[in-house]
Amino acid sequence: SQQGEEDPQALSIQEGENATMNCSYKTSINNLQWYRQNSGRGLVHLILIRSNEREKHSGRLRVTLDTSKKSSSLLITASRAADTASYFCATVRTGANNLFFGTGTRLTVIP
Amino acid sequence: GAGVSQTPSNKVTEKGKYVELRCDPISGHTALYWYRQSLGQGPEFLIYFQGTGAADDSGLPNDRFFAVRPEGSVSTLKIQRTERGDSAVYLCASSLSPGTASETQYFGPGTRLLVL
Repeated sequence: SQQGEEDPQALSIQEGENATMNCSYKTSINNLQWYRQNSGRGLVHLILIRSNEREKHSGRLRVTLDTSKKSSSLLITASRAADTASYFCATVRTGANNLFFGTGTRLTVIP
Repeated sequence: GAGVSQTPSNKVTEKGKYVELRCDPISGHTALYWYRQSLGQGPEFLIYFQGTGAADDSGLPNDRFFAVRPEGSVSTLKIQRTERGDSAVYLCASSLSPGTASETQYFGPGTRLLVL
């Protein structure tokens, strides 16, 4: 079963704009990870944030984590057409090792 | 270095047949995971290996599904008496050391299984 949900399900923006995707989950976690997927294959790891961290940056990516609200957000700044993909959040539950994925956000960046 | 590889890329089979899907993890990665992704959904966990043993097989949907990793490297996911509902992309991932700073899971390209 899915761990949680991403919001929105789909997002369409102009190139250069920022894109924000949100993720909610249900249980206590060890860490939360964001992945990107093109064309239904090849999941690419973007960033990992641990349960004791609140914010993390990697290039144009900024991830926040609020464990009290069981939610996370992924911000992509200065978006590019090449950022068009599906983005998934995934959690590692406390005491487990496997990932529980959300339902994904389909991002379209219009050139 | 080489990433996670999976073969075949695509597999078409008939209902009731047996299939094997193969995963070659990144060299040196002790943890290996299988996930299944249906169209429009996020991947769902199937089974996790630590070394040669299945540490968690709670995600396997039923006893038609079985996976092995006899030498702690390559893994094979086996599906017996396939059903149309088994059609999905089967993803494999590996990680260096779960529960540590090197726990990022790296995914292969997946095997797209279609059961007719």
